[in-house]
Amino acid sequence: NAGVTQTPKFQVLKTGQSMTLQCAQDMNHNSMYWYRQDPGMGLRLIYYSASEGTTDKGEVPNGYNVSRLNKREFSLRLESAAPSQTSVYFCALAPSGNSYEQYFGPGTRLTVT
Amino acid sequence: GEDVEQSLFLSVREGDSSVINCTYTDSSSTYLYWYKQEPGAGLQLLTYIFSNMDMKQDQRLTVLLNKKDKHLSLRIADTQTGDSAIYFCAESWTPGANNLFFGTGTRLTVIP
Repeated sequence: NAGVTQTPKFQVLKTGQSMTLQCAQDMNHNSMYWYRQDPGMGLRLIYYSASEGTTDKGEVPNGYNVSRLNKREFSLRLESAAPSQTSVYFCALAPSGNSYEQYFGPGTRLTVT
Repeated sequence: GEDVEQSLFLSVREGDSSVINCTYTDSSSTYLYWYKQEPGAGLQLLTYIFSNMDMKQDQRLTVLLNKKDKHLSLRIADTQTGDSAIYFCAESWTPGANNLFFGTGTRLTVIP
């Protein structure tokens, strides 16, 4: 997980609260991704960013917003958290949008009560 | 998303071979991947194979692809306790990570 940091590591929210998950990289990669991991469902793509200033929806974008203001950081925001958003969230990087390589962060475990 | 299925659990004895299986439904899948997730960590890409290949070997890892049956397997020779982890297969029709579809993961437990 070297080169990809995620904060916080753990978070508990009440329904309706908001929060931002942060992802930062020092690998100078163009593409960044947010996934969620749920038991028995593998990883699902929430949003991705091919480069600074651009973002696109993935498979499960509802209830989330993202921001890629610079090359280094890609944040995921929950405006009004719901219990269905209890999950482990992973940020990932790739050198470019068509790269086989992908590097994952250590994850953020979020619980919404 | 596409359906990518795996068995949830596998136990093997240290020193034996492990075979982790995966089936997928999308016949246009061109790139198939195996990832490893150790406890408390993110996913790590182990290997990948193109759909025009039948087999790929990398040290203790052997990937077999049966495109006709849409079946992918990962064989780990001489399995060690450090191989205990969750293994995910994933597929895409282009190399980009923005259209990767992951399986549910197989938890491999290596018994000393």
